[in-house]
Amino acid sequence: DSGVTQTPKHLITATGQRVTLRCSPRSGDLSVYWYQQSLDQGLQFLIQYYNGEERAKGNILERFSAQQFPDLHSELNLSSLELGDSALYFCASSVGVKEYNEQFFGPGTRLTVL
Amino acid sequence: GENVEQHPSTLSVQEGDSAVIKCTYSDSASNYFPWYKQELGKGPQLIIDIRSNVGEKKDQRIAVTLNKTAKHFSLHITETQPEDSAVYFCAASFMEYGNKLVFGAGTILRVKS
Repeated sequence: DSGVTQTPKHLITATGQRVTLRCSPRSGDLSVYWYQQSLDQGLQFLIQYYNGEERAKGNILERFSAQQFPDLHSELNLSSLELGDSALYFCASSVGVKEYNEQFFGPGTRLTVL
Repeated sequence: GENVEQHPSTLSVQEGDSAVIKCTYSDSASNYFPWYKQELGKGPQLIIDIRSNVGEKKDQRIAVTLNKTAKHFSLHITETQPEDSAVYFCAASFMEYGNKLVFGAGTILRVKS
């Protein structure tokens, strides 16, 4: 158990809908990352927050947005969902933003768009 | 651009044999190279990492080597066991702003008993 929690574990929805994925980082970790894992794209970095502020952006679609709240939990919002958004979404956390800060991954949310 | 290539995509070994997975990265400014193991239905878990000021690091049956000049790094698992069967990912840090990781495509390791 990494100490990172994600809810829900599974999510099934329809095209065009909007969903929110939630992540609670390990106690003491200020940095949160979101990754998307699909069979054809592998593990792709989406976005990073540090202590409530956006820190780095990766291959995140405009239909996707995220935020980190004062209690440090984070939410990833996916809207106008398409079939291709079906994937595993992982949240990771680390204590800070140093290059070698270990990132601890949560168990993931499996999103299925029908 | 930022890229990490990983080979092989699948690897089958006999229990007790060694397994080697190789990665190359594109950004010479990368200084941190973690390896993650992902078991079915779980999130990736760090198994070993190496920083650019070190050429080799070992932890029991697992070792990682880094050649910064050639931008190569490798994972070595000795005396493989069935519980080593999983997907292994290499990654490299890219520090333009934030400490994001770029992952290789993964290697499915099967250890046959």
